[in-house]
Amino acid sequence: NAGVTQTPKFRVLKTGQSMTLLCAQDMNHEYMYWYRQDPGMGLRLIHYSVGEGTTAKGEVPDGYNVSRLKKQNFLLGLESAAPSQTSVYFCASSYKPYEQYFGPGTRLTVT
Amino acid sequence: DQQVKQNSPSLSVQEGRISILNCDYTNSMFDYFLWYKKYPAEGPTFLISISSIKDKNEDGRFTVFLNKSAKHLSLHIVPSQPGDSAVYFCAAPMDSNYQLIWGAGTKLIIKP
Repeated sequence: NAGVTQTPKFRVLKTGQSMTLLCAQDMNHEYMYWYRQDPGMGLRLIHYSVGEGTTAKGEVPDGYNVSRLKKQNFLLGLESAAPSQTSVYFCASSYKPYEQYFGPGTRLTVT
Repeated sequence: DQQVKQNSPSLSVQEGRISILNCDYTNSMFDYFLWYKKYPAEGPTFLISISSIKDKNEDGRFTVFLNKSAKHLSLHIVPSQPGDSAVYFCAAPMDSNYQLIWGAGTKLIIKP
């Protein structure tokens, strides 16, 4: 039982490049989330999903897109990376909205 | 506007003593609160929660107290152990029930 896994763990992008972060969970959870964490701030919700095939915007969705084609996977895409997107990205899943299980994070640097 | 505030960026406590971490909120509609613990290079893990119908919830060494009139909650850890050294976040669900609003976190350091 791996829980929530994230790929990759680290990535450096140049401004304007694109990439996709992959989140996978093996707990059969309906809810999945993408957060970013910046220094001195709490986690901020980017997008979330309440089930396969559904997605919704969170607090800071601009510059990101997501897809949930399979229940166990939640993908976060950056179409044209900007330095302001330098952050640590966390994926989470839950069987009910509140008590979320988190992955180990992806540290992204955009130069 | 920060709706969930943790005003102490860090806290240092002697091993074996009590650790008290504080959290304030501004939105009186919040009716459920959670505490998460985070070690470096790991994601946060759920620790304990409390509903607004209670003023206290206990789980082993961890107790959360809620003072609704003051819009304040606190996490007590007794006795503090070296493995408790971590960043602690409080969080509250928005009306939508899907979005958690997070505090900035308090880094707890347990001194041997």
